[in-house]
Amino acid sequence: KNEVEQSPQNLTAQEGEFITINCSYSVGISALHWLQQHPGGGIVSLFMLSSGKKKHGRLIATINIQEKHSSLHITASHPRDSAVYICAVNEYGGSQGNLIFGKGTKLSVKP
Amino acid sequence: DGGITQSPKYLFRKEGQNVTLSCEQNLNHDAMYWYRQDPGQGLRLIYYSQIVNDFQKGDIAEGYSVSREKKESFPLTVTSAQKNPTAFYLCASSWGVNQPQHFGDGTRLSIL
Repeated sequence: KNEVEQSPQNLTAQEGEFITINCSYSVGISALHWLQQHPGGGIVSLFMLSSGKKKHGRLIATINIQEKHSSLHITASHPRDSAVYICAVNEYGGSQGNLIFGKGTKLSVKP
Repeated sequence: DGGITQSPKYLFRKEGQNVTLSCEQNLNHDAMYWYRQDPGQGLRLIYYSQIVNDFQKGDIAEGYSVSREKKESFPLTVTSAQKNPTAFYLCASSWGVNQPQHFGDGTRLSIL
């Protein structure tokens, strides 16, 4: 069974700090997703990756397929970045439509 | 603006009652999904639908039912057979499987 592990579980940072959240998974995947869940519960899709690196504003996502590992980086963090960040994968050959989710990393950025 | 609308935001149910959670999308997406989120756990798939009039069970379908009579609507019924229904329920949609999913704002269901 594919497990998706995220670290750290909780992260507190000062405004302006560079932040890294890690995600590892145990079997082959066709794609990896990074999601952001706001305190109210709504979820926004940040990135979908199958290789390499993607950048959007202050957010950077990388994936290493051989090592089965992905990282989400936030540069110049801001209090509005405070949220739960969730890693999810589409297992290669898995049942259609089934994303496997990590438990999330709760980020708090202090002013 | 296109998006996914879930209603209501908060829902209370008496034991033994069925309740239906609404999910509507105007993104013209073919695929729709229902997830359950419990504290300290990752989201788990309840049901998904790749096309109108077709749906498949996810990992935790017991005690739930769905219908997909229209492309834009995918209501979830939590039946009295679901023994622990208190949770946060999220609906999502996508162009197809393995595509980025768009999520609604969720419905929080509590038992009275």
